[in-house]
Amino acid sequence: DTEVTQTPKHLVMGMTNKKSLKCEQHMGHRAMYWYKQKAKKPPELMFVYSYEKLSINESVPSRFSPECPNSSLLNLHLHALQPEDSALYLCASSHNQGLYGAYEQYFGPGTRLTVT
Amino acid sequence: KQEVTQIPAALSVPEGENLVLNCSFTDSAIYNLQWFRQDPGKGLTSLLLIQSSQREQTSGRLNASLDKSSGRSTLYIAASQPGDSATYLCAVRSYNTNAGKSTFGDGTTLTVKP
Repeated sequence: DTEVTQTPKHLVMGMTNKKSLKCEQHMGHRAMYWYKQKAKKPPELMFVYSYEKLSINESVPSRFSPECPNSSLLNLHLHALQPEDSALYLCASSHNQGLYGAYEQYFGPGTRLTVT
Repeated sequence: KQEVTQIPAALSVPEGENLVLNCSFTDSAIYNLQWFRQDPGKGLTSLLLIQSSQREQTSGRLNASLDKSSGRSTLYIAASQPGDSATYLCAVRSYNTNAGKSTFGDGTTLTVKP
């Protein structure tokens, strides 16, 4: 099973709301990633968790707060977002982040976020 | 800093044609290169992963090659079908960037006409 699942598929939220995106994988992968993708652009890395610890934060604003409760789950908590944060949010996983980064990334279907 | 370029940005071909998509990168010190396809509004589907020690990988009608010395990879699609219409992205993991961070090209949008 090479599936990464994400919920919800679509999310509309106001600028004062608090919401969470969820990602799950059962492939035994120990590295999990959040990406943001704007229309007609490639994905931009936001965060990387390796063995449930945050290893990369690409200078993402604090209104985005990641959490990795266990090796299968990854959350992205959203608070006080701006309209420009509207995008497709993608989760990915790989066997390991590792020093040699040799492993294949598997992506979920994404959450389409609209901030009004 | 690794830079990844995909040319052309868009390609339209008739059904049945064989085609080649290109991916160029500036820093040859790479761990691997991965090809993805993305349908509109969907996630990325992994097609092929080539490790730095490999020259090519094949899966069905797809063949990806890697030439590290020239900083190039190609994705060959044989006997194209309308269902192959999608955006194709290449992503490179490099020694000289944070481990685990991939550098993506902007993609090539392929349209296969029936």
